[in-house]
Amino acid sequence: EVQLLESGGALVQPGGSLRLSCAASGFTVSTNYMTWVRQAPGEGLQWVSVIYSDGKTYYADSVKGRFVISRDNSKNTLYLQMNSLRPEDTAVYYCARDDYFKDTGYYYSRHWGQGALVTVSS
Amino acid sequence: DIQMTQSPSSLSASVGDRVTITCRASQSIGRQLNWYQQKPGKAPNILIYAASSLQSGVPSRFGGRGSGTDFTLTISSLQPEDSATYYCQQSYTSPPFTFGPGTKVDLK
Repeated sequence: EVQLLESGGALVQPGGSLRLSCAASGFTVSTNYMTWVRQAPGEGLQWVSVIYSDGKTYYADSVKGRFVISRDNSKNTLYLQMNSLRPEDTAVYYCARDDYFKDTGYYYSRHWGQGALVTVSS
Repeated sequence: DIQMTQSPSSLSASVGDRVTITCRASQSIGRQLNWYQQKPGKAPNILIYAASSLQSGVPSRFGGRGSGTDFTLTISSLQPEDSATYYCQQSYTSPPFTFGPGTKVDLK
């Protein structure tokens, strides 16, 4: 059974840093596309970042240069390193395992974690 | 980046009603369109991918149509457990894979 468990959410001051973890079980992180999506309180979903199985990474413009997505194959864990945090980064952060169909290019987030709350405030 | 819009932003309907939500992309995305359902305090759940492919385990009352820039999600007979917010997402070519703003569906 596929399971994703986020951790690391906390209250942090503006300008601070935080690292979120997403521990996976039931599949191998390194052979899948893995995504971070966030949701500010009372707001909609915002796509944040993805790491492909070949290691390529992509970011939303709003976090580019401040956030880094990575994975530890030995721990089967996905990470999101968040630096220079701003109040507008306050959100629940979800990690997700994506399904990707190579022949058609169809792609979606199939399995989701329960979310980790990050609050950026002084 | 591709922008996504949804309409309406919210709706109220009765059990058994047919409900349709519209999603529009700012440029053609082929059929690279997903629909998610999210209930309060829970993670999103994939309903439909590739515009019209029903994810395994999702009730057949959910259906998706469209291609290019215009897409619809239809619930053929609204059930109490369908009260949720619905999001479309484009997954065309390369990231960022933007979401629409969401449509909140309430029961009358």
